[in-house]
Amino acid sequence: SQQGEEDPQALSIQEGENATMNCSYKTSINNLQWYRQNSGRGLVHLILIRSNEREKHSGRLRVTLDTSKKSSSLLITASRAADTASYFCATDQTGANNLFFGTGTRLTVIP
Amino acid sequence: DTAVSQTPKYLVTQMGNDKSIKCEQNLGHDTMYWYKQDSKKFLKIMFSYNNKELIINETVPNRFSPKSPDKAHLNLHINSLELGDSAVYFCASGTGFPLHFGNGTRLTVT
Repeated sequence: SQQGEEDPQALSIQEGENATMNCSYKTSINNLQWYRQNSGRGLVHLILIRSNEREKHSGRLRVTLDTSKKSSSLLITASRAADTASYFCATDQTGANNLFFGTGTRLTVIP
Repeated sequence: DTAVSQTPKYLVTQMGNDKSIKCEQNLGHDTMYWYKQDSKKFLKIMFSYNNKELIINETVPNRFSPKSPDKAHLNLHINSLELGDSAVYFCASGTGFPLHFGNGTRLTVT
């Protein structure tokens, strides 16, 4: 399968704590992206990291990419109740004109 | 002023019926997609159109037929609906990446 895998499948933390989600994939990529999905809504793009980048920041988000291990992590710092959602990694794989999504991490931030 | 809009939001129908889902994007993007999200939240590409031309057609039953009348629209028609077609269908658009998604159509086949 070209689909990535994320862990954990579910994560529950207290407001103010940091949340870390991991993504592993199987093929060569051009870039890796993270999306958020609130319940009953579509996916919203959060951040894109190119294959030649190792770390990227956007506000409270920090993404790392290790192409040798074919893995990425998303760190959300100082979490808020509004961060409660499912988070998906997606890979733009070399030679494909499509995004392949991971299995998602369901994050719950308890106020 | 919604960027990617799809209708209807909910669709409940019986097995054997034919139904359509419509999608429109006002972002001027070149490429539009249909994704299927199953009950386990797996998202899988179904079709992709670039400037009205089909460029991706994954292993999807022939009962599913996309139609792109123009660059801003990509509709999905489903014939002879089956129980296994129940899922949430997402339309997306982009010129390259990232993609912009609609809010989904929850299809329930009874």
